[in-house]
Amino acid sequence: AQSVAQPEDQVNVAEGNPLTVKCTYSVSGNPYLFWYVQYPNRGLQFLLKYITGDNLVKGSYGFEAEFNKSQTSFHLKKPSALVSDSALYFCAVRDGGGGGADGLTFGKGTHLIIQP
Amino acid sequence: DAGVTQSPTHLIKTRGQHVTLRCSPISGHKSVSWYQQVLGQGPQFIFQYYEKEERGRGNFPDRFSARQFPNYSSELNVNALLLGDSALYLCASSLGGGPTGEQYFGPGTRLTVT
Repeated sequence: AQSVAQPEDQVNVAEGNPLTVKCTYSVSGNPYLFWYVQYPNRGLQFLLKYITGDNLVKGSYGFEAEFNKSQTSFHLKKPSALVSDSALYFCAVRDGGGGGADGLTFGKGTHLIIQP
Repeated sequence: DAGVTQSPTHLIKTRGQHVTLRCSPISGHKSVSWYQQVLGQGPQFIFQYYEKEERGRGNFPDRFSARQFPNYSSELNVNALLLGDSALYLCASSLGGGPTGEQYFGPGTRLTVT
């Protein structure tokens, strides 16, 4: 079985400060990890993914994420937050050992609020 | 290029009724997945179809069924609706059916069951 935990319901950051949104995962095989963002009344938008290779992956809108196998974490980061980054962020995992038949498993989401 | 489209946008049904939701993937994408998002939760996987074949199924009852057509569009059907089926239903498309490709989501269909 695969699972994702996002321990923070909400993260508050001042504009211009660095931000981190936390994610930990559990899979039996190799993890394929994704971050998505959801704006109000809209579908999810893909930000970035980790499949293999370099532990630091870069994505859209200046976001990046660091894969840490020993801590089973995949935290989302950005060096300088913008007010427009305020949204609901989801971490998702797919178990490489399952051939993808299980689909994506999402965390509960973290509300990111950037204060001007 | 058009993204993933879903219809209808909103739907209100009564308990016990049946509903059909529709999805058109991004042009060139051959895989469609369906997710249910209940308020305050992350999306939950329902089905994945690739090249018109079911590739995966989540933990949902048999009241939920889906199919994919030759043009890669898809329908999600839910029979004998329950109040608990009220949710945002999201469709996602991807190029292939494998686990490494990113999925692109549509805006969703908001289903309310009364």
